Amino acid sequence: SAVISQKPSRDICQRGTSLTIQCQVDSQVTMMFWYRQQPGQSLTLIATANQGSEATYESGFVIDKFPISRPNLTFSTLTVSNMSPEDSSIYLCSVYSDSTDTQYFGPGTRLTVL
Amino acid sequence: DQQVKQNSPSLSVQEGRISILNCDYTNSMFDYFLWYKKYPAEGPTFLISISSIKDKNEDGRFTVFLNKSAKHLSLHIVPSQPGDSAVYFCAASSGNTPLVFGKGTRLSVIA
Repeated sequence: SAVISQKPSRDICQRGTSLTIQCQVDSQVTMMFWYRQQPGQSLTLIATANQGSEATYESGFVIDKFPISRPNLTFSTLTVSNMSPEDSSIYLCSVYSDSTDTQYFGPGTRLTVL
Repeated sequence: DQQVKQNSPSLSVQEGRISILNCDYTNSMFDYFLWYKKYPAEGPTFLISISSIKDKNEDGRFTVFLNKSAKHLSLHIVPSQPGDSAVYFCAASSGNTPLVFGKGTRLSVIA
């Protein structure tokens, strides 16, 4: 299985600021995803991070609000821009492993916006 | 519109008894189903999966049953242990599309 780390593990931010979350995988993976889990809700896919090209966003999520970078096959960042209290959530990085045909998740970043 | 539904937000079971977690889906294109377990302050961890060509998959104490005609799957844990207490997410996908998750069911196993 893939080992995924995320930084920071948690943060408390002020309204209007931005936070960049990093995701590092211990092996090269073709598919990386960013999810959000708001309180009491399911995990919701934000976007697929594509290596060397722009991320693919799901309905309801836009690049200006959630810019994503993926410079190589083991690393990605998600920025939550111009934050509001509604952005308070757990943000999770996920990767798909071809060898096991399974998706794995990082430990998550718990974000609180005041 | 929720494509994957877990209608029971919580479940309590006595240690040693069977835990049954249920999941319904609406998208008939889904062909791969997974269960994830999540402890507080950790990311979801993969538990067990089943392909739509099967109706049962077993791994130790965990068994997943798939009823395609009813668009229903269930996870059975037997015997249940206190360490099984966690939130369980049902997820589904079609082809290589990213997973779609249910809202989760919080299982409490009482010693």
